[in-house]
Amino acid sequence: SQKIEQNSEALNIQEGKTATLTCNYTNYSPAYLQWYRQDPGRGPVFLLLIRENEKEKRKERLKVTFDTTLKQSLFHITASQPADSATYLCALDASGTYKYIFGTGTRLKVLA
Amino acid sequence: DAGVTQSPTHLIKTRGQQVTLRCSPKSGHDTVSWYQQALGQGPQFIFQYYEEEERQRGNFPDRFSGHQFPNYSSELNVNALLLGDSALYLCASSRTGPSSYNSPLHFGNGTRLTVT
Repeated sequence: SQKIEQNSEALNIQEGKTATLTCNYTNYSPAYLQWYRQDPGRGPVFLLLIRENEKEKRKERLKVTFDTTLKQSLFHITASQPADSATYLCALDASGTYKYIFGTGTRLKVLA
Repeated sequence: DAGVTQSPTHLIKTRGQQVTLRCSPKSGHDTVSWYQQALGQGPQFIFQYYEEEERQRGNFPDRFSGHQFPNYSSELNVNALLLGDSALYLCASSRTGPSSYNSPLHFGNGTRLTVT
């Protein structure tokens, strides 16, 4: 069956450290993978998109990697800050369709 | 430039009732997708509208239906409400491009539906 898995346990990290979140998928062949941030009571906000032929993408303190062989994406936040505390969702396109499928999200808490 | 707006923000309904949720997409976007998000879960795809037609549907029963208007705004209708329909309903807009590529989704802040 098709699955997108993110670590459902919350990730607590000290301010200034690098947070690394994982997104694994099975039985999908996405052309794109995206990461979103969601704060409580709000809709998700788009952060980064990476294509299947890209290994790595960066935006300010954010970095995403995409390994189609391992069927995995890693999302890194360097020099993390308490304001980075939120739930982070990965999403991929279900190939041959126009829909994006989301993982369950990982809750990140950055401790001051 | 207004982003995605949804109304109402909160709604309480009784089992068996019907509900209509509304969404206005971000300016320049022509595609609207609806998602259901239960507490502690990721958004689940309900369906997507493009050119006033339902283009794609997720694994939701026919009680869930929708509509897209010529101005790209959209409605989600749910009939015969069940307790399990209680969730945050998110609308997301995007632009459809070539080769089934959609631009990243812009979400509204959702409608919190409670069914009692």
